[in-house]
Amino acid sequence: GENVGLHLPTLSVQEGDNSIINCAYSNSASDYFIWYKQESGKGPQFIIDIRSNMDKRQGQRVTVLLNKTVKHLSLQIAATQPGDSAVYFCAENWQGGKLIFGQGTELSVKP
Amino acid sequence: DTGVSQDPRHKITKRGQNVTFRCDPISEHNHLYWYRQTLGQGPEFLTYFQNEAQLEKSRLLSDRFSAERPKGSFSTLEIQRTEQGDSAMYLCASSFSSPGELFFGEGSRLTVL
Repeated sequence: GENVGLHLPTLSVQEGDNSIINCAYSNSASDYFIWYKQESGKGPQFIIDIRSNMDKRQGQRVTVLLNKTVKHLSLQIAATQPGDSAVYFCAENWQGGKLIFGQGTELSVKP
Repeated sequence: DTGVSQDPRHKITKRGQNVTFRCDPISEHNHLYWYRQTLGQGPEFLTYFQNEAQLEKSRLLSDRFSAERPKGSFSTLEIQRTEQGDSAMYLCASSFSSPGELFFGEGSRLTVL
């Protein structure tokens, strides 16, 4: 399938620090990208999106950066809180409306 | 609650049995998607509807899987002759625009014994 690997990359940060989660996407023709947060036993929850005509977009405590040259996305979370602990997925829009998800990164916030 | 609703939340079945999952999307959303997720992996695309038309189906999807959206509202995903490898979380999502933010349900977890 399009997702590979059983072992999630993990990121452990101290409460109050900033977090940066990285993602490499696969299709240079992708025109829309989303970051999702998924807590255990729940469906993915939208965080922020960005279109390919932008390099940066900011939300509340979150910023997404897009580097089309190297097909790289990052999610920055400011002042990380214990409630931010979850698995984070980036997703890209290929042709049409479907989203293709990356592997995911597990964020653990230490109080 | 006006979010995406999925039923049942959990299903345990024996190998060889058929199972059906239902998804009720957000009412004004014309676009509906089914994904499958196994432990430690991201959601894997299965199929996509715009209104009642099934516009795309993953080439990875076995012919034991079928999905319908008969009136352009709720959708069903049926798995025939289940196998242990079908054990996963089946996620439904809907969106107002395409491409656009997908709103996910809480999923239907299938365990095949």
